[in-house]
Formats: sequence, structure tokens, C-alpha cells
Amino acid sequence: DAGITQSPRHKVTETGTPVTLRCHQTENHRYMYWYRQDPGHGLRLIHYSYGVKDTDKGEVSDGYSVSRSKTEDFLLTLESATSSQTSVYFCAVASGGAEFGTDTQYFGPGTRLTVL
Amino acid sequence: GNSVTQMEGPVTLSEEAFLTINCTYTATGYPSLFWYVQYPGEGLQLLLKATKADDKGSNKGFEATYRKETTSFHLEKGSVQVSDSAVYFCALSSGSARQLTFGSGTQLTVLP
Repeated sequence: DAGITQSPRHKVTETGTPVTLRCHQTENHRYMYWYRQDPGHGLRLIHYSYGVKDTDKGEVSDGYSVSRSKTEDFLLTLESATSSQTSVYFCAVASGGAEFGTDTQYFGPGTRLTVL
Repeated sequence: GNSVTQMEGPVTLSEEAFLTINCTYTATGYPSLFWYVQYPGEGLQLLLKATKADDKGSNKGFEATYRKETTSFHLEKGSVQVSDSAVYFCALSSGSARQLTFGSGTQLTVLP
């Protein structure tokens, strides 16, 4: 599992409250990603990081922010949660292989978030 | 932009049947292609990958060949087992950020 943990694993919150999800890795991977998984959509990229303090937006970044102050931690924040953000959130990591574009991503166990 | 289209599920097969899950893609440049598998309640695991045209990825009896001429990466297995029951995702990776674009997933159920 590439030493990836996510916390919390389950969370129920109310509309309008802030929520922070944490991804922690122990193997010093350079790249980290946040995806959401929804029925019929597969996984969609929210944000990613290519180094400490280096982040960029993915396909579905509206309403989300991220921070990476240490190599091992990548935080996803919902500033004001909405019901449309009810989903399963997965963190992934990758090392950045020598061959361009061929690196494998390893996924965490996921966080199930329900926004009421 | 990039996109991945997978055959819709769910797919139900009897044990020892032949499996094909179709996957086609649209991408700029030269993407790498992946199949990931998700067992109930778990994260995604890499099943196999191919990095260039005509490469064949294989693992645990599953195979897929990177076909640039048909922009396809179909997953096959000659004899499925009950333990293969899971959701299968086709994905492509391209660009310097190595971002993955996923298909919508195919639920496979194998009956004894």
C-alpha cells in the first residue's frame, strides 16, 4: 500500500462547515494527489502536488484547497462543505520515475465523507 | 482533452468464463495506459500497465495490449475466478504532472 494512510476514514458533517482531510505517506514520494470517486464518474482529480509547497488544480478543484508543508503530508480542505461534496476521497502518491509519464500511482484506503 | 471510455457494467460471469472489458481512449501525445482494480471497501490497486504502443501488460492472468491504431487497451482474462469480483478501472497518464484520467469503472461479479 506504499505506506499511505488517510484520516479520518469516515466523516459526517453539516453543510457550511469546514472539513480537512489528511493524507500521510511514509516513503518520501514526490507527487501526491487527491481524487474523488462518484458513481458513474470513476475517479476525478481535485488537486495535486509536485513537491513541498508546490500544488496545482485538477479537473474538479472548485470548492477545495490543498496544502503541503511537509513531504509526507497532503491536506485537502473543504472551506464550506456542500452536499455535492459528499463522496469518497482518495489520496495517491507517485515517485516520478525516470521514464516520462510512466510512473505508477499508489492509492490510500479512502475517506468516506457525507455532507448533510 | 484526455478521456477514457469503458464498457458499461455490471458484468456477471460464471467461474472459468472468458473476460473482456473494453477500454478506448482519447489523448494528446503518447499516454501510458493502466488498469486498476478496486475490491469492496478498499482503495485502488494497480493491476497492469503499458507504456508504449504494442506493449502488453500482464498480471495475475490478466492481459491488455496497448493498441495505438485503435486507441484501445482492452482487459482480458482466459478463466475468471470468484476472487476476481471487483470494480475495474481503465486509466491513462500523460503530461509532466502524471495525472491520471479514469474511465467510469466496470463492476465484475463472478459466480461459482
